[in-house]
Amino acid sequence: QAALTQPASVSGSPGQSITISCTGTSIGLHKHVSWYQQHPGKAPKVVISEINKRPSGVSNRFSGSRSANTASLTISGLQAEDEADYYCLSYADSPFWVFGGGTKLTVL
Amino acid sequence: EVQLVESGGGLVQPGESLTLSCAASGFALAPYPMNWVRQAPGKGLEAVSHISHDATTIWYADSVKGRFTISRDDGKNSLYLRMNSLRDEDTGVYYCVRDINWALDIWGQGTMVTVSS
Repeated sequence: QAALTQPASVSGSPGQSITISCTGTSIGLHKHVSWYQQHPGKAPKVVISEINKRPSGVSNRFSGSRSANTASLTISGLQAEDEADYYCLSYADSPFWVFGGGTKLTVL
Repeated sequence: EVQLVESGGGLVQPGESLTLSCAASGFALAPYPMNWVRQAPGKGLEAVSHISHDATTIWYADSVKGRFTISRDDGKNSLYLRMNSLRDEDTGVYYCVRDINWALDIWGQGTMVTVSS
């Protein structure tokens, strides 16, 4: 069963940088890895696509990378508004899509 | 404005059926693969179903295979999810989501499905 593992929670102070990891076999097989930000009661929003591409309108404080079977989302210059849940998503063939379990980011 | 609007959610008893609809506006649905993603209360995101732009590729999560059916009507600019034999564990918010270059770029606001006796 394809699965993506994320830390349950991360935290950082305003101005600092944090990194959220996402580990799974499918991560290393292709470039179809994306990251989503979800604020409470809201629909998710894509912040990174294709491992490291930032969609139009997304702050350049968000960046993505990959090493072997682990993808990472880095948020630099943390701001209060970054406090949210973050999910990675990978195309996995079978299953077609798989989400990570989600990481709660707390801005201290 | 580019948006997706879901409808059809509600409260049903276990074993009953429900059909969700998703209306696209501000863009034509036809060129895009589409997806349904759900989120149980207090839980993470789960991909439920995917349909390619031409409906030749359809995928279902194991948890719903054989019970749910995804379809699209590009003439009506709409996506659907027929849900049969609903279970308690199908409870959650269901999102209609556009797929572009293997990323989920446009999400609806979600529609709540509650399965309870």
